[in-house]
Amino acid sequence: GAGVSQSPRYKVAKRGQDVALRCDPISGHVSLFWYQQALGQGPEFLTYFQNEAQLDKSGLPSDRFFAERPEGSVSTLKIQRTQQEDSAVYLCASSFVSGRDTGELFFGEGSRLTVL
Amino acid sequence: AQKITQTQPGMFVQEKEAVTLDCTYDTSDQSYGLFWYKQPSSGEMIFLIYQGSYDEQNATEGRYSLNFQKARKSANLVISASQLGDSAMYFCAMSLNTGGFKTIFGAGTRLFVKA
Repeated sequence: GAGVSQSPRYKVAKRGQDVALRCDPISGHVSLFWYQQALGQGPEFLTYFQNEAQLDKSGLPSDRFFAERPEGSVSTLKIQRTQQEDSAVYLCASSFVSGRDTGELFFGEGSRLTVL
Repeated sequence: AQKITQTQPGMFVQEKEAVTLDCTYDTSDQSYGLFWYKQPSSGEMIFLIYQGSYDEQNATEGRYSLNFQKARKSANLVISASQLGDSAMYFCAMSLNTGGFKTIFGAGTRLFVKA
């Protein structure tokens, strides 16, 4: 497809389980972002990749959160030992611009994680 | 601190009227980008309009215009001739360069368009 693809769209996990969320950005897009969006809130920045390099991970809330983009295209956000406060929509966005101004972000539909 | 502030949690507007959604930002960067995104109830984030910090003219995209006042650090979105399909959450965002590359978002304004 032409857009950013995220999977799974919905994930229900028991507290303590590990989850992996996948993002397939638009082909050729250099920049890739992960955001966490709680219900009724704005997206909160988690991490940023430029190609395969993770240039900013300052938004990851704890060491249970890990993201990778090994070949500079598909990215995976992994959450270990999930907690109820991890319940949110996880948005992936990509951009063809890198550097000083990332320009317009193209968002996927998000992965809604519910931790019971 | 780098921050986006949207002070209107909810706004109502009559169909066909214009509405202004407020956004103020805080950054010490001289170069930054300002954006508005729309998020309908379906959840997808849709880019609306962009303003670069060095752009002297206000950005316009169809019925959307961005009222950029750099000295006041405000970047208000004006929607003209509101339509029922404009009902959604609207987020102001800023791209930053200091200490990394990220785009940060405000808390959003929910717009309700009345028939």
